[in-house]
Amino acid sequence: AQSVTQLDSHVSVSEGTPVLLRCNYSSSYSPSLFWYVQHPNKGLQLLLKYTSAATLVKGINGFEAEFKKSETSFHLTKPSAHMSDAAEYFCVVSPSRNQGGKLIFGQGTELSVKP
Amino acid sequence: GAGVSQSPSNKVTEKGKDVELRCDPISGHTALYWYRQSLGQGLEFLIYFQGNSAPDKSGLPSDRFSAERTGGSVSTLTIQRTQQEDSAVYLCASSPRGQGSYISYNEQFFGPGTRLTVL
Repeated sequence: AQSVTQLDSHVSVSEGTPVLLRCNYSSSYSPSLFWYVQHPNKGLQLLLKYTSAATLVKGINGFEAEFKKSETSFHLTKPSAHMSDAAEYFCVVSPSRNQGGKLIFGQGTELSVKP
Repeated sequence: GAGVSQSPSNKVTEKGKDVELRCDPISGHTALYWYRQSLGQGLEFLIYFQGNSAPDKSGLPSDRFSAERTGGSVSTLTIQRTQQEDSAVYLCASSPRGQGSYISYNEQFFGPGTRLTVL
């Protein structure tokens, strides 16, 4: 069975400092992995996705994530936080690559950015 | 272009009443998904439609929940005899299913959701 665990329910950083949101996955084969962001009262927006083309994935708004199979991790990072980054972030695994199907969401990490 | 739209944006109903939630996917997307987002359960998959195939209903929490997709486009999620625990935000997503298309690998585009409150 596939699952995803976000290790922190809440992360707080100061503006201009690095962001690290941690995610570990469980899958019996190489999965597709995603990070989605949800701003207050807004829909979910795709930040980036891993589909085996490259282990370091760059997304929108300066975010990137690295797929590490040996650690079963897909942590999300950003070198310098901006106030507009404050939102909830979801690490997501798709059970079957290149096929349709349900997404399995982590519990979410709320990112706060202090001025 | 237009994204996924959902209506209504908010719905307040009384316990025991039936509700219908509507989703208009992105034009040309063949896959459509329903999810539920609630405080206690996070984001949960409900049901998935792909073209003319039988839908994957494995996430529906009870037989009070049903969904249909007419003409391969618009979808309606129906909750009968609503209960207070049905209160949540119901999200719809759609996805293209291009053949051999890198971009289409399971990327789902989400609508803004319908916030359902059952009193």
